[in-house]
Amino acid sequence: SQTIHQWPATLVQPVGSPLSLECTVEGTSNPNLYWYRQAAGRGLQLLFYSIGIDQISSEVPQNLSASRPQDRQFILSSKKLLLSDSGFYLCALRTGSYEQYFGPGTRLTVT
Amino acid sequence: GQQLNQSPQSMFIQEGEDVSMNCTSSSIFNTWLWYKQDPGEGPVLLIALYKAGELTSNGRLTAQFGTTRKDSFLNISASIPSDVGIYFCAGIIQGAQKLVFGQGTRLTINP
Repeated sequence: SQTIHQWPATLVQPVGSPLSLECTVEGTSNPNLYWYRQAAGRGLQLLFYSIGIDQISSEVPQNLSASRPQDRQFILSSKKLLLSDSGFYLCALRTGSYEQYFGPGTRLTVT
Repeated sequence: GQQLNQSPQSMFIQEGEDVSMNCTSSSIFNTWLWYKQDPGEGPVLLIALYKAGELTSNGRLTAQFGTTRKDSFLNISASIPSDVGIYFCAGIIQGAQKLVFGQGTRLTINP
């Protein structure tokens, strides 16, 4: 069965600093991959999704970017963090069916 | 764009009570998914529904795919403390790459 790893689990970064969050998956090939952000007590906001290597679709214009350098690796980045970037970042995958599975998440606090 | 209206937004119940929540949309969906999220963790897929009218159970959880394909329902029978969390519905149209999520139902149980 597939497994999703997210690194790091928690992160505290100052405003204006860069960001790199990593998501790696195991047990599947050529999955769709997704980045979501969840503000405290709120719903899930889709940020980016990818249907293949170097194929990224952006859902929300912002200072974040995503890359997929390998089939099973999805990276979320920022050159300069804003306070509003704080939140819980979730990576998810989808295989052949429409079922989507989430990773454990990364808690980002921008100070 | 497509939206899912999930209700209620929150529920406060006594242990042992049954729970009902639902999602409605103005759009037709081909697949409905129900997730549960515990604090600080990623959502976990509970039930997937693929056919209009389908009724599927997972232990004390039962979900139904509405016959109009515009709604779905989740019931929890005889609630226990570990049922506490946020429940999300999600729908997707055949061939689409993205799920549409409801805003979540926060379930609190008084022992």
